[in-house]
Amino acid sequence: AQKITQTQPGMFVQEKEAVTLDCTYDTSDPSYGLFWYKQPSSGEMIFLIYQGSYDQQNATEGRYSLNFQKARKSANLVISASQLGDSAMYFCAMRGRFGAQKLVFGQGTRLTINP
Amino acid sequence: DGGITQSPKYLFRKEGQNVTLSCEQNLNHDAMYWYRQDPGQGLRLIYYSQIVNDFQKGDIAEGYSVSREKKESFPLTVTSAQKNPTAFYLCASSPGTGGQPQHFGDGTRLSIL
Repeated sequence: AQKITQTQPGMFVQEKEAVTLDCTYDTSDPSYGLFWYKQPSSGEMIFLIYQGSYDQQNATEGRYSLNFQKARKSANLVISASQLGDSAMYFCAMRGRFGAQKLVFGQGTRLTINP
Repeated sequence: DGGITQSPKYLFRKEGQNVTLSCEQNLNHDAMYWYRQDPGQGLRLIYYSQIVNDFQKGDIAEGYSVSREKKESFPLTVTSAQKNPTAFYLCASSPGTGGQPQHFGDGTRLSIL
């Protein structure tokens, strides 16, 4: 069975600092994908970044980068130069080769950016 | 603009009543999904559909039913058998292949009267 673990229930960071949100995963699928989503207080889920298990390089999207360490089964999200608008819940999710494209989500991390 | 529309935004259910949550997408995506989110928790999969007229149970399907008669539509019915239906319900869709992300609607918040 696939499982995602996010061990940080909440994080508080000063504006303009970088922040790392932890995500570890467990799967027996040789091919899988890892996603990060942002959920503001309004409730919608916003896709941030994707990493495939066979991708050679860590994914980057603007201020977001994914620190993918396959041997350690970790896929941490790094947000550079944090902004007040980054305050939200952040979810790590995994898609396996089997079971269609359905996602398994972690419990989430609530990030608060202080001015 | 292409996207996913969920309605209503807020819904109240009486004891013993079935209610239906609407989800419509104009992204031409093959796959659609329903998730449930409880306060402070992650999302859990209720049902998903990869093609029209076909759907599969997710991890918490008991007390829910779905249909997929059109590619664009994937309504979710919360039946009276679902004893704890109060939650935030999110609908999503994806092209169904590769590393394409799921796109989400804005959600429906269901409460018990």
